Amino acid sequence: NAGVTQTPKFRVLKTGQSMTLLCAQDMNHEYMYWYRQDPGMGLRLIHYSVGEGTTAKGEVPDGYNVSRLKKQNFLLGLESAAPSQTSVYFCALSSGSGADTQYFGPGTRLTVL
Amino acid sequence: GQNIDQPTEMTATEGAIVQINCTYQTSGFNGLFWYQQHAGEAPTFLSYNVLDGLEEKGRFSSFLSRSKGYSYLLLKELQMKDSASYLCAVSDSNYQLIWGAGTKLIIKP
Repeated sequence: NAGVTQTPKFRVLKTGQSMTLLCAQDMNHEYMYWYRQDPGMGLRLIHYSVGEGTTAKGEVPDGYNVSRLKKQNFLLGLESAAPSQTSVYFCALSSGSGADTQYFGPGTRLTVL
Repeated sequence: GQNIDQPTEMTATEGAIVQINCTYQTSGFNGLFWYQQHAGEAPTFLSYNVLDGLEEKGRFSSFLSRSKGYSYLLLKELQMKDSASYLCAVSDSNYQLIWGAGTKLIIKP
């Protein structure tokens, strides 16, 4: 997954705390996505961006906010973490729409106590 | 609603052949993807089908039947490193990917 990095790799939060996950790319791709992956479920889209300065809601946006101020960075924020947000978070990017191959970052494992 | 179905888990023997099925019901269709995900790692792209038929790529092949809402991933000459989860995903009418829960493939020597 060269070209896509996620920070941090692991994090433990207490209920009500906030945090920001960073996805950074050097592949110059327009589309960026935030997914969560939970056991027994498929990847679920939280938010996505089709270019710098744009964001849109995915399937499960509640409790999350995003920003794409620079093309290479896509931030995912949790304002007040809840145990239901315990998950593995993946950032992905593609050159075009959902018919194009998505390249995934290494993931962030988040636990909310 | 939109739905992707795959078996939860499959077991196969090293050197053998295994077929992982995926059925889908989505609002629109703009292609079907297969990804491989090793435990604790990110998904990586394996194949993409948008037209009916078989796409072959080395030991891996993927088949699509749009009229039946069906795809399969065929893995030949299984190796221990093929132990992983295999994710099926469909690009819907909005060009968003709808993901199956994945099939965990266990390879035994």
